[in-house]
Amino acid sequence: DAGVTQSPTHLIKTRGQQVTLRCSPKSGHDTVSWYQQALGQGPQFIFQYYEEEERQRGNFPDRFSGHQFPNYSSELNVNALLLGDSALYLCASSFGAAGVRAFFGQGTRLTVV
Amino acid sequence: RKEVEQDPGPFNVPEGATVAFNCTYSNSASQSFFWYRQDCRKEPKLLMSVYSSGNEDGRFTAQLNRASQYISLLIRDSKLSDSATYLCVVKLMSGGSNYKLTFGKGTLLTVNP
Repeated sequence: DAGVTQSPTHLIKTRGQQVTLRCSPKSGHDTVSWYQQALGQGPQFIFQYYEEEERQRGNFPDRFSGHQFPNYSSELNVNALLLGDSALYLCASSFGAAGVRAFFGQGTRLTVV
Repeated sequence: RKEVEQDPGPFNVPEGATVAFNCTYSNSASQSFFWYRQDCRKEPKLLMSVYSSGNEDGRFTAQLNRASQYISLLIRDSKLSDSATYLCVVKLMSGGSNYKLTFGKGTLLTVNP
């Protein structure tokens, strides 16, 4: 049973570029949340998708957007990258929007130069 | 005030020591509480849920005090393999079925031989 998988694992982008990160939830899970973890900090909630809709959003600018597909996989898009966007981006999945337990993927480490 | 605050650490302890982690949260409407463990450059993994009645899992004991909005984790007889960052996590439901996890900054534990 595959857990949460994210791609790519590492990525280097230039300021001003756009990036798309991908997440496949654990089998049987239908809710996907995205988190940003800067070095030395805890993960910060970006947004949550359930039934292909953004259900909740953290304190992140509109440059951060996402999508959920009918197969429950999800994408995180970041436009106009800033140096401060360099972080580990984590995807978590659960069953149901009120999921009891969230499982995390291994993350995508994004470096903006 | 931060939503979730933890001891800043880091903690350096010898094998066999007992170590305690403390955490406070600001939103009294928070419903569920957890401790996650994160190894260096890896994803967070659920260590244990935390209940008001207190719960124990082997060498690990977690406690929740809702009145004082305080969460604790105690590790007894610490092992080298316990070395990791420990994240205090609070779950808040909203809109009836949506939720978000709010993480503390994490406390780094190093267990020395």
